[in-house]
Amino acid sequence: KAGVTQTPRYLIKTRGQQVTLSCSPISGHRSVSWYQQTPGQGLQFLFEYFSETQRNKGNFPGRFSGRQFSNSRSEMNVSTLELGDSALYLCASSLTSGRADTQYFGPGTRLTVL
Amino acid sequence: GQQVMQIPQYQHVQEGEDFTTYCNSSTTLSNIQWYKQRPGGHPVFLIQLVKSGEVKKQKRLTFQFGEAKKNSSLHITATQTTDVGTYFCAGPGGGSNYKLTFGKGTLLTVNP
Repeated sequence: KAGVTQTPRYLIKTRGQQVTLSCSPISGHRSVSWYQQTPGQGLQFLFEYFSETQRNKGNFPGRFSGRQFSNSRSEMNVSTLELGDSALYLCASSLTSGRADTQYFGPGTRLTVL
Repeated sequence: GQQVMQIPQYQHVQEGEDFTTYCNSSTTLSNIQWYKQRPGGHPVFLIQLVKSGEVKKQKRLTFQFGEAKKNSSLHITATQTTDVGTYFCAGPGGGSNYKLTFGKGTLLTVNP
């Protein structure tokens, strides 16, 4: 089975711009979660989508949003980019949306905001 | 909210030495998961512990879940250079909020 794929792998944007990141989960996985990873804060949960519905949300401002399509693919959008948004954005898929589900991570999108 | 603390933040060992990382949660966990992230890579699932006092082994790696289900440890015996990376523990929140909260990880470096 193919793993989780994320596009693009690298992105450079300037402050004030917006960005859309894409994630394709493992075939058959219906849950997609997004994480932000920075050296200072570590891995922080952004949100989770299951069957096109947001199931959980982390403590991030409304500039961070996401959606999931009927084929389970997911996109994450960040509007009005700030310098502090520079990070590795990881997407993870799991079979279902439950406490015991293993997260399968993609390679991430490295976002740099100048 | 739930907090998951990991210590130490960094550990440098000589190849062949043992290594242990500890994970503590502010709340009781229904399960705990461990992940490894190689430098430049992404987190990869290692194991999940569910039962109080559970111990699981994977070759040179030993994972333990505390009796109170609030702490866990990962012990590596006789480290190798392939063990280099950051080890994360993660636990789900309580109630309807079961998102995974990750510890900040322990970065292990191994001197050959």
